[in-house]
This record gives sequence, structure tokens and C-alpha cells, in this order.
Amino acid sequence: AQRVTQPEKLLSVFKGAPVELKCNYSYSGSPELFWYVQYSRQRLQLLLRHISRESIKGFTADLNKGETSFHLKKPFAQEEDSAMYYCALSGGFQKLVFGTGTRLLVSP
Amino acid sequence: NAGVTQTPKFQVLKTGQSMTLQCAQDMNHEYMSWYRQDPGMGLRLIHYSVGAGITDQGEVPNGYNVSRSTTEDFPLRLLSAAPSQTSVYFCASSYRVERREQYFGPGTRLTVT
Repeated sequence: AQRVTQPEKLLSVFKGAPVELKCNYSYSGSPELFWYVQYSRQRLQLLLRHISRESIKGFTADLNKGETSFHLKKPFAQEEDSAMYYCALSGGFQKLVFGTGTRLLVSP
Repeated sequence: NAGVTQTPKFQVLKTGQSMTLQCAQDMNHEYMSWYRQDPGMGLRLIHYSVGAGITDQGEVPNGYNVSRSTTEDFPLRLLSAAPSQTSVYFCASSYRVERREQYFGPGTRLTVT
């Protein structure tokens, strides 16, 4: 079975502080992991995926198969990063499973 | 391209009523899906389709029907609305079956009283 766990419902930080949004997954095969973001009053959009190994808006995420984790990190948070973040896993035929989401609040 | 569009944006139903949530995409995507978003539960897959004429169930299919007569459209039907179906519904699509990046619609906020 595919499962994604995001343990924090809310993460509140000050501008300029480092951010780490946690994501753990459960899947017996080779997973594809994603981070999606939903800004206020906007639709859900892809932020990054592990196979691209890219940095988007200063965010990075590394797939750690030993710890079955795909944490999202940014060294210096900005107010515009405030949003809902969802970790997602695709392990099977087009079934994309989402975590429960973490709301990131960046205060000035 | 309009991308993924959904109608209506908001809807209030009474228990027992039926309705159809519309979803369309103009990107020639093979794959389309429906999710519901509930507080504390993330997004849960209701139904999905890998191409015209092919649909399958997701995690929470009960109370919902889908069909895919064209590549562009993937409507979601609520057969007999229940308060437990109060939620925000998102439609998503992707270009190829093996690619999993999903493009989402703006959502439909449904309230069942």
C-alpha cells in the first residue's frame, strides 16, 4: 500500500529562518515523490519532484530511501512562501497519493 | 490554453439531490482524475481515467460515478448527495499515462445540507 505522512499540520517560522517540511512515505517498490503547493486562492501546483533534482523558489528535497523520507527544505524563508504544502507519492499506475498537508506560515 | 477548468465554483445541495461536477481540459491529456480535499485529510483520490472510455476507482469512490466519453471531459456525478460529501473537489490531468505531474483545476466547493 502507498502511504504518505506529513506529521506537522502547521509550521510557523519567521522570515529568514530555515524551513523543513517533513514527509515520510511507505511503499515497497520504487516511488516517485512530489511536493505540491497551494497558495491562498490559487490552484494546487507542482513545486518539485525528486527525479528532477532541481531547486524551485529556493526549495529543495532529497529522497532518502533508507529513511523513506522526502523532506522539503529552504534555507531562508520568505513571507511569500506561506502556503499549504502537500507531499505526494506515485508508486503505481497513475495513482497519486497525497499526505494530509502542512500549512507553512512565515511571519515578518 | 485554458488548462483544466471546473464548473461550478460553488454549489449547495440538499441531502438526496444529485448533480454533476464538470471538468474539462484542453491539453490533450490522457489521464484525468478527481480528488476531494477535506481538512486534516489531504487530497483523496475518488476516480481516475487513463483514456477515453476507461475509468477506475480511487480511494473513496462510494457515492460517485464518472464517465469518460471524450479525451477532454471527465464529469463527476453525485448520485444522492449526503452531508459527508461536503468538500472541495479538484479535477486534475496529466499528459501521458506514465508521467505523474498533475495539473489541477481551481476546485468546486460543495456543501450538502
